[in-house]
Amino acid sequence: NAGVTQTPKFQVLKTGQSMTLQCAQDMNHNSMYWYRQDPGMGLRLIYYSASEGTTDKGEVPNGYNVSRLNKREFSLRLESAAPSQTSVYFCASAPEPSYEQYFGPGTRLTVT
Amino acid sequence: AQSVTQLDSQVPVFEEAPVELRCNYSSSVSVYLFWYVQYPNQGLQLLLKYLSGSTLVKGINGFEAEFNKSQTSFHLRKPSVHISDTAEYFCAVSDPRARGGKLIFGQGTELSVKP
Repeated sequence: NAGVTQTPKFQVLKTGQSMTLQCAQDMNHNSMYWYRQDPGMGLRLIYYSASEGTTDKGEVPNGYNVSRLNKREFSLRLESAAPSQTSVYFCASAPEPSYEQYFGPGTRLTVT
Repeated sequence: AQSVTQLDSQVPVFEEAPVELRCNYSSSVSVYLFWYVQYPNQGLQLLLKYLSGSTLVKGINGFEAEFNKSQTSFHLRKPSVHISDTAEYFCAVSDPRARGGKLIFGQGTELSVKP
């Protein structure tokens, strides 16, 4: 089992460019999550999908969109990147809402 | 609303010494509790979890935590640390009855183990 995989590992964007971060899990989990991690601010939830077919906003959704493509995949899209979106992005999955989450290795994004 | 407070942002300790990382949470309902570890440039890894049952929970790498409902605490302990335990540790809480089942994370505690 690969667990939770994320692509790409690193990305540099110019302001205004768009990109999609990909996340997949092979644990047959129902719930998936996107976080960003910034120094001194811990992890902040961007969007989540409690089950296939549903998505909801988290704490910091502005500037992002998500798609729960199927049970395995949950993508995060930046439509028009801004320097404030420079961060490390983590995807996570859980067997059910509220249970322990399993994290991917992260994507380090820099917006110049 | 739930919140999690990790009382120490940095904890320096010598190798083979005991360590306690403190976590308090605020919630009016029963909760699930978790501790995660993050090594440099890696994702978060689950150390241990409390869902119900025994209040003393044992996890990986020799760590354990005790759930204290009256004090709303879930402190993480290890009797003897190694250099390899140097990492950032996150406490998290969830409400099993809340929609979406989000985890609320503390700000993290940097554990630095010195030889």
